[in-house]
Amino acid sequence: GESVGLHLPTLSVQEGDNSIINCAYSNSASDYFIWYKQESGKGPQFIIDIRSNMDKRQGQRVTVLLNKTVKHLSLQIAATQPGDSAVYFCAETTSNTGKLIFGQGTTLQVKP
Amino acid sequence: DGGITQSPKYLFRKEGQNVTLSCEQNLNHDAMYWYRQDPGQGLRLIYYSQIVNDFQKGDIAEGYSVSREKKESFPLTVTSAQKNPTAFYLCASSIDEGRYTNEKLFFGSGTQLSVL
Repeated sequence: GESVGLHLPTLSVQEGDNSIINCAYSNSASDYFIWYKQESGKGPQFIIDIRSNMDKRQGQRVTVLLNKTVKHLSLQIAATQPGDSAVYFCAETTSNTGKLIFGQGTTLQVKP
Repeated sequence: DGGITQSPKYLFRKEGQNVTLSCEQNLNHDAMYWYRQDPGQGLRLIYYSQIVNDFQKGDIAEGYSVSREKKESFPLTVTSAQKNPTAFYLCASSIDEGRYTNEKLFFGSGTQLSVL
């Protein structure tokens, strides 16, 4: 079956370091991917997205990399700040299903 | 400010009781969704609606019901048939662009439902 999963449940980084959060997906037909950030007790917030015709997309302090060969997605956060502490979810969808499938999430902890 | 409003923030349900969670959006989005989130888990789709007066079951619809009488509103009822209702419930909306119906979901702040 289809699944979207994250390699590590918790990632702890030092403030100012770069963070890399990974996500594996199993459906090779997936053509759109999104990263969400969820702070405690709040709804997820859109961070960045990427379509399957791209390998890399950059935002403000964030970069998403897509490797379709190994079905791997990563979110890179530059100069991690305490405000980046949250749970990060990747999600995938395919144009023929129209349903987002969410991974279980990675908790990012930023140490001062 | 445009956005999605969920209420209440916290809700308690007694045994055998039905409860309704409210979700309102003023983003003029066509599509609306309800997700359930359990501790340490991802989001699971309960119901979604792409247009007024129409909705479809998601992956875990049993024990839940919805209505979509207005574009702005998509209330979720947790019925007594849902034996394990304690969870964080998230409502979301998106622009229905046809091919990428679910892209860029905008989420509300959630409702925490607990059983007394």
